[in-house]
Amino acid sequence: EAEVAQSPRYKITEKSQAVAFWCDPISGHATLYWYRQILGQGPELLVQFQDESVVDDSQLPKDRFSAERLKGVDSTLKIQPAELGDSAMYLCASSLVGTSGTDTQYFGPGTRLTVL
Amino acid sequence: GDSVTQMEGPVTLSEEAFLTINCTYTATGYPSLFWYVQYPGEGLQLLLKATKADDKGSNKGFEATYRKETTSFHLEKGSVQVSDSAVYFCALSAGNTGKLIFGQGTTLQVKP
Repeated sequence: EAEVAQSPRYKITEKSQAVAFWCDPISGHATLYWYRQILGQGPELLVQFQDESVVDDSQLPKDRFSAERLKGVDSTLKIQPAELGDSAMYLCASSLVGTSGTDTQYFGPGTRLTVL
Repeated sequence: GDSVTQMEGPVTLSEEAFLTINCTYTATGYPSLFWYVQYPGEGLQLLLKATKADDKGSNKGFEATYRKETTSFHLEKGSVQVSDSAVYFCALSAGNTGKLIFGQGTTLQVKP
């Protein structure tokens, strides 16, 4: 069964350093999502791509976070500089179409970030 | 804005007990509703979904019915197993972007 791949699974960094996370969605899925999940809370959307275009980045802290999906396939989320409050699980998800509210999103295993 | 509220956990049950996890939502329009499950150290997996009022989603013995009149989507299972121990998230998808809005999650612990 096809899965969403993410790497690394775990990342420990010091504050003010730069970090990057990678996501490879299920083949053929047009829509890709990055969510942030703080411990004990539900995931919150950071950014949504439709192919290579950003659909929603209203909750992305743009002064330090950036995301790209250059060829409309895999994606990278970057944080620079990292802050203590960025410690969380970063989840990537993909869906076939994305422009329908009924579409199922498939999640990767996540990257757990710890900022010291 | 749109939101989802779940019952607080943890919920601790004995094996074979009946499970209910309450979920209510606030949304404009007619959202689709989802239950996701997260096992320790893993990402979220779709458990079931319902896309319109009175629909019942079901999977692996779990069920939930989309109740528009009470804006609820409660998760139920007749007989839980130790392997059901996990965190359960209720979510809605409103509008045409597919964006999911999650509740805070409910931890279920099933003891043998």
